[in-house]
Amino acid sequence: QVQLQESGPGLVKPSETLSLTCTVSGGSFSGDYWSWIRQPPGRGLEWIGFIYYTGSTNYNPSLKSRVTISVDTSKNQFTLMLSSVTAADTAVYYCARTLPMVRGRAFDYWGQGNLVTVSS
Amino acid sequence: QSALTQPPSASGSPGQSVTISCTGTSSDVGGYNYVSWYQQHPGKAPKLMIYEVNKRPSGVPDRFSGSKSGNTASLTVSGLQADDEADYYCSSYAGSIFYIFGTGTKVTVL
Repeated sequence: QVQLQESGPGLVKPSETLSLTCTVSGGSFSGDYWSWIRQPPGRGLEWIGFIYYTGSTNYNPSLKSRVTISVDTSKNQFTLMLSSVTAADTAVYYCARTLPMVRGRAFDYWGQGNLVTVSS
Repeated sequence: QSALTQPPSASGSPGQSVTISCTGTSSDVGGYNYVSWYQQHPGKAPKLMIYEVNKRPSGVPDRFSGSKSGNTASLTVSGLQADDEADYYCSSYAGSIFYIFGTGTKVTVL
């Protein structure tokens, strides 16, 4: 059973950089795609981007200028960095395994979520 | 790219069926058979219920079914149970390795 766990600060100041790490256990890390998805309080889901275990990335065009996702295969971890944050970036941030084209292009395993509040 | 359109709410009595629609465009829902559906209980992470329009992951009851016609996908929950009360989100691959979610539907079991 694949398990994902987000970790990182729950409070970030405006204009600073949000950084979250997702640790994967219980399954194969290499060979899979790994996404970040966020959900503002009381609102819907937004895909932020994903990374392949090789380090190849793809980002939501609406966030691309501020997002960096990196991977550390030795620790089965991948990290989200979102720069120049504002209150609009306040959300629960989820990490999720992303199935490739041949397996359905869906998000089958999710972390429990990490609420990040942007406030001074 | 705008979110996929879902009705804000849907409801049904125990044992009845409820169907939720998810409307997109030919660039997402209509262009690919990569529509998935997620169930989210309050304070919990989303759970994959349907992928590739109509396939169920292991462990998801066959009371949950999906379909698609043109630019609109649908999720039907048959034999409603109390635990089906949750928010439901659709998602579609939208080309260029980009994913888009729906606006979400709150299902109430009366």
